[in-house]
Amino acid sequence: AQSVTQLGSHVSVSEGALVLLRCNYSSSVPPYLFWYVQYPNQGLQLLLKYTSAATLVKGINGFEAEFKKSETSFHLTKPSAHMSDAAEYFCAVSASNTGNQFYFGTGTSLTVIP
Amino acid sequence: ETGVTQSPTHLIKTRGQQVTLRCSSQSGHNTVSWYQQALGQGPQFIFQYYREEENGRGNFPPRFSGLQFPNYSSELNVNALELDDSALYLCASSLLGTPGGEQYFGPGTRLTVT
Repeated sequence: AQSVTQLGSHVSVSEGALVLLRCNYSSSVPPYLFWYVQYPNQGLQLLLKYTSAATLVKGINGFEAEFKKSETSFHLTKPSAHMSDAAEYFCAVSASNTGNQFYFGTGTSLTVIP
Repeated sequence: ETGVTQSPTHLIKTRGQQVTLRCSSQSGHNTVSWYQQALGQGPQFIFQYYREEENGRGNFPPRFSGLQFPNYSSELNVNALELDDSALYLCASSLLGTPGGEQYFGPGTRLTVT
């Protein structure tokens, strides 16, 4: 079985500060991990994904995430927050042996303070 | 390349009624997954369709059913609507068999049950 836990339902950072959104996963098989962003009244847009290649994954809009198997984590970071980063962020896991069924966390709402 | 589209955008139904939501998958994709996103929650997997057959199902009752057509578009049907069915319904398309393949989401259909 696969599951994801996102620690912190709300995160506030100042513009220009480091963004850190936490995600821990549980998977009985090697996982595929994803971060998606959702702006108000919109669908989900893929930020980045981990598929067992490099453990440090770079995505769009300056975001990156590091896969740490020993910690079962896949935290999302961005060195300098921009006002346009304010949105809901979701971590998701899928299993390599069950096709493309995704299991999402409950999300983290990011607020950027000017 | 055409992205994932969903219709209608918004829908209001009365408890006990039936509803059909529609999704057109992204060009080249053969798999459609449906998710329910309640307010303030992450998307919950309903089911997935591949080659017009159900290819996995989440913890949803049988009154949630679906179809996939030869052109890979899909429908989600919900019978005997309940108030708790009020949510954003997201459709995602993907290419089954692609290791770590991401899902591409549509903008969603907002269903309100009164």
